Amino acid sequence: QQQVKQSPQSLIVQKGGISIINCAYENTAFDYFPWYQQFPGKGPALLIAIRPDVSEKKEGRFTISFNKSAKQFSLHIMDSQPGDSATYFCAAYGGSNYKLTFGKGTLLTVNP
Amino acid sequence: NAGVTQTPKFRVLKTGQSMTLLCAQDMNHEYMYWYRQDPGMGLRLIHYSVGEGTTAKGEVPDGYNVSRLKKQNFLLGLESAAPSQTSVYFCASRDHRDRRISLGGYTFGSGTRLTVV
Repeated sequence: QQQVKQSPQSLIVQKGGISIINCAYENTAFDYFPWYQQFPGKGPALLIAIRPDVSEKKEGRFTISFNKSAKQFSLHIMDSQPGDSATYFCAAYGGSNYKLTFGKGTLLTVNP
Repeated sequence: NAGVTQTPKFRVLKTGQSMTLLCAQDMNHEYMYWYRQDPGMGLRLIHYSVGEGTTAKGEVPDGYNVSRLKKQNFLLGLESAAPSQTSVYFCASRDHRDRRISLGGYTFGSGTRLTVV
């Protein structure tokens, strides 16, 4: 059972464009939603995270939008740059367990 | 501050051989995790530990064993390697304090690329 569904699987954007990655979750006990960025040959690194008591969080060019009623959240990358090319994972945490549940990842390519 | 260190970085095994992957963290984190990453499958949890001397199974534990004898180390063992265990393995650790305060998330190592032939 996949508890966090991520789309699209891959995304190609032109430099300066907006990249949007979407995730949906099922478990209403989730209460922490981070996004991780992974460059080739490296481990994932925390990019930005949000709690469900806010609808949006912005850090520089990266914004998380959260819709609690729809159980969906998304990552928006404004003014996308070639250096943003990486794999992005959404995740969710909460309930009685001690672990993050990850989406399957989105490979973002930003063309110059 | 090294964070999470994984050794080795690369390894080729023959089917049936055994090996141990080492994860070491210097952040005094209580929680540690082993994931495997395969194309199109995302990150799948193998085993995890919520403190020294504790371990628990994740989504894909079969064929793997773990030990957490010291707080800073989390070992992943492959008892009898199979080609299906060809993957990139990541270790991660997390601060045990209230995540709603820290929102610190996981700290990942740089991975071990394992090929079983």
